[in-house]
Amino acid sequence: SQKIEQNSEALNIQEGKTATLTCNYTNYSPAYLQWYRQDPGRGPVFLLLIRENEKEKRKERLKVTFDTTLKQSLFHITASQPADSATYLCALDKDGSSNTGKLIFGQGTTLQVKP
Amino acid sequence: GAGVSQSPRYKVAKRGQDVALRCDPISGHVSLFWYQQALGQGPEFLTYFQNEAQLDKSGLPSDRFFAERPEGSVSTLKIQRTQQEDSAVYLCASSLGRAPSYEQYFGPGTRLTVT
Repeated sequence: SQKIEQNSEALNIQEGKTATLTCNYTNYSPAYLQWYRQDPGRGPVFLLLIRENEKEKRKERLKVTFDTTLKQSLFHITASQPADSATYLCALDKDGSSNTGKLIFGQGTTLQVKP
Repeated sequence: GAGVSQSPRYKVAKRGQDVALRCDPISGHVSLFWYQQALGQGPEFLTYFQNEAQLDKSGLPSDRFFAERPEGSVSTLKIQRTQQEDSAVYLCASSLGRAPSYEQYFGPGTRLTVT
């Protein structure tokens, strides 16, 4: 079955630096991969979706890459701010190339941006 | 606009009690998902509806868990004879359910504590 690995250790960086978070998967290449942000006591919030035929996607200060050879996605936040502090979750479609939208999530990486 | 709402936000149940958790998705969203999130972990898929049809319930932990969406909008997750291992945050999410985007909109969750 598909497994997703995210760095369970918290990532601490200084304000203004670029944060890079890693998502590795172990089995089939998914049709798409999503990144969500989750703040304490709240539900996840969608950030970006990248498809298997896309290598890179950008949205404002966010950039996601997708390498199906390495079975890895990288999530970058440039010019990081303390308000970016949160847990970031990687998610893949549950059944491979299905089109239902069912997701499996990684355990999340907590980012702490210090002023 | 109104997002996904869930009620109650917090529920304390004695072991053996039945509980019912409610989800109000975004109006017009075809797909509805239930997830279970343990502390420090990512959400885990429980079940999926497309309109009123429950198309996948493979993630439900046991036959004590039951979900319904009788009119294709509001959904209820019911847990019978609650056990301590059922303690978790239960998240509901909805999506338009069609390509090209499968982004999911999550509610704030219901935190269930079984004592």
